[in-house]
Amino acid sequence: EPEVTQTPSHQVTQMGQEVILRCVPISNHLYFYWYRQILGQKVEFLVSFYNNEISEKSEIFDDQFSVERPDGSNFTLKIRSTKLEDSAMYFCASSEYGVNEQFFGPGTRLTVL
Amino acid sequence: SQKIEQNSEALNIQEGKTATLTCNYTNYSPAYLQWYRQDPGRGPVFLLLIRENEKEKRKERLKVTFDTTLKQSLFHITASQPADSATYLCALVLTISGGSYIPTFGRGTSLIVHP
Repeated sequence: EPEVTQTPSHQVTQMGQEVILRCVPISNHLYFYWYRQILGQKVEFLVSFYNNEISEKSEIFDDQFSVERPDGSNFTLKIRSTKLEDSAMYFCASSEYGVNEQFFGPGTRLTVL
Repeated sequence: SQKIEQNSEALNIQEGKTATLTCNYTNYSPAYLQWYRQDPGRGPVFLLLIRENEKEKRKERLKVTFDTTLKQSLFHITASQPADSATYLCALVLTISGGSYIPTFGRGTSLIVHP
């Protein structure tokens, strides 16, 4: 069964550094998303991406964040100048028809020291 | 203010019983509502979607109801099994300007099914 994959599973970085989280969505899906979940908190929408551009973004997704689909298979989230409060699980999701049925990846645990 | 409320306390039930989880919301007008399952350290798994004009949806042992007047959704698992133990998330899907949809999640309710 096709699935969304994410790498790395765990990323440790120093405050102020840049990180790139990678996702490979399901191959025939057209909509891509990033979410984050701070430990013990709810899942929070960051950004949606369709047709090679951002379709929506939340207040969390400020200039520190960017997304890219550098080729036909990868979808990346870049976080510049990381802060302690960026520590969280970051989930990528993809879907065929918008948010109707999203398939989530296993997540990347980001730890900022 | 806008809120999505799910029981913060874990729901403990015996195997074979029906589990009922509640999602209440205020000051939202969702286009539809979704339920997800999340296991520890894993990503959410989509279970069911119900639209604002639907009262009830079923899938195997799962049933969801949606009352837009009460601003409440109920999620039922019949004949529950220990393997159903997980956190269940409700998500309101909101339509915003331009026709886009944004999912807004509740914090989830932990279900523990005892053998």
